[in-house]
Amino acid sequence: EVQLVESGGGLVQPGGSLRLSCTASGFTFSNYAMSWVRQAPGKGLEWVSGISGGGGSKYYADSVKGRFTMSRDNSKNTLFLQMNSLRVEDTAVYYCAHDSGAYWGQGTLVTVSS
Amino acid sequence: QAGLTQPPSVSKGLRQTATLTCTGNSNVFGDQGAAWLQQHQGHPPKLLSYRNNNRPSGISERFSASWSGNTASLTITGLQPEDEADYYCSAWDSSVSARVFGGGTKLTVL
Repeated sequence: EVQLVESGGGLVQPGGSLRLSCTASGFTFSNYAMSWVRQAPGKGLEWVSGISGGGGSKYYADSVKGRFTMSRDNSKNTLFLQMNSLRVEDTAVYYCAHDSGAYWGQGTLVTVSS
Repeated sequence: QAGLTQPPSVSKGLRQTATLTCTGNSNVFGDQGAAWLQQHQGHPPKLLSYRNNNRPSGISERFSASWSGNTASLTITGLQPEDEADYYCSAWDSSVSARVFGGGTKLTVL
């Protein structure tokens, strides 16, 4: 059974940093591209970032470019999202997802507020 | 990064057919169309259709996807109460190397 489990969310002040993690199981993690997708309260889905299976190619939404960094550790089946210079508008549930869209974690809530 | 455009809401009666649309810039759907996801309140999205109307295992045949030019569609036949949810289309925009989502359509089953 495929499982994606996010962690690392929480409350942070504007300008602060957080590091999200996503641990995968049930499939050959290194073979697949992965994504981070977020959803602000009451809003739609917004793609944040994507990374190739080997980690050599990374892609970012304009809204987070230069502030967020996506990475992966295939030896530990884990995906990361380092979020710096956080803004109030980054408040959302952050999901990690298999790039096919077939598998999603339950999400972790990030709240940016003073 | 321009997104995809979906109508905010659609309402249809029980056992009727709903067709949800998703419009993008030219070529965003390429030769694979859009992916469609369903999301119930408080839950993560669930994939309904991907790449040329392929349905993941366990997805009902009542859900079918298609696309023509810059418009993708999801048709849901025999509407059931559990189909009431938010529906999102998604595609990889190779012109900007980014995934784009539609704003979502809230489907109400009357």
